[in-house]
Amino acid sequence: SQQGEEDPQALSIQEGENATMNCSYKTSINNLQWYRQNSGRGLVHLILIRSNEREKHSGRLRVTLDTSKKSSSLLITASRAADTASYFCATDWDQGAQKLVFGQGTRLTINP
Amino acid sequence: DTAVSQTPKYLVTQMGNDKSIKCEQNLGHDTMYWYKQDSKKFLKIMFSYNNKELIINETVPNRFSPKSPDKAHLNLHINSLELGDSAVYFCASSIGQVPRGEQFFGPGTRLTVL
Repeated sequence: SQQGEEDPQALSIQEGENATMNCSYKTSINNLQWYRQNSGRGLVHLILIRSNEREKHSGRLRVTLDTSKKSSSLLITASRAADTASYFCATDWDQGAQKLVFGQGTRLTINP
Repeated sequence: DTAVSQTPKYLVTQMGNDKSIKCEQNLGHDTMYWYKQDSKKFLKIMFSYNNKELIINETVPNRFSPKSPDKAHLNLHINSLELGDSAVYFCASSIGQVPRGEQFFGPGTRLTVL
């Protein structure tokens, strides 16, 4: 199965601290994407990193990708209450069907 | 200015009924998707269409029938609803097919089968 896994499943930190979430996957990929899902809402795309990239930044977000370990991390710096959400990684498979496979997500809670 | 919209937002129905969920995107995308998210937040692709053509049918029971009247719409019809169909169903769209880029998700339809 191509299924990705996020770690930890849940994370609770104080506002202002940094949050790090990890994602592991099983197959070779073209891209890895991170999405955020607020409670009761659809997913929102955060960042896409290609298999030939190692690090990417977007505002307070920093994503790394290690294809040798088949893993990625999402760092949110200076967290805010509004960052409270579930975060999902999604991968494709460079040899397979044209679909994204999502992990089960990390539930992030930012405490004021 | 909703990019991807779904109706209804909530759907409560009895086992055995037939129901439909509608999805529309105004982004000009040519690929649309249906996903199912279960109670454990596990999100799984069900179908994808590219320019009204079925691309992915992810071993979904044939009680589920997608229909794309045009590339801006992808509806999902479910026959003979079962308890296990209870979930949140998300529509999404993208420019081109995976792996070309990000997907834009609708707000979801929470289906409860009693």
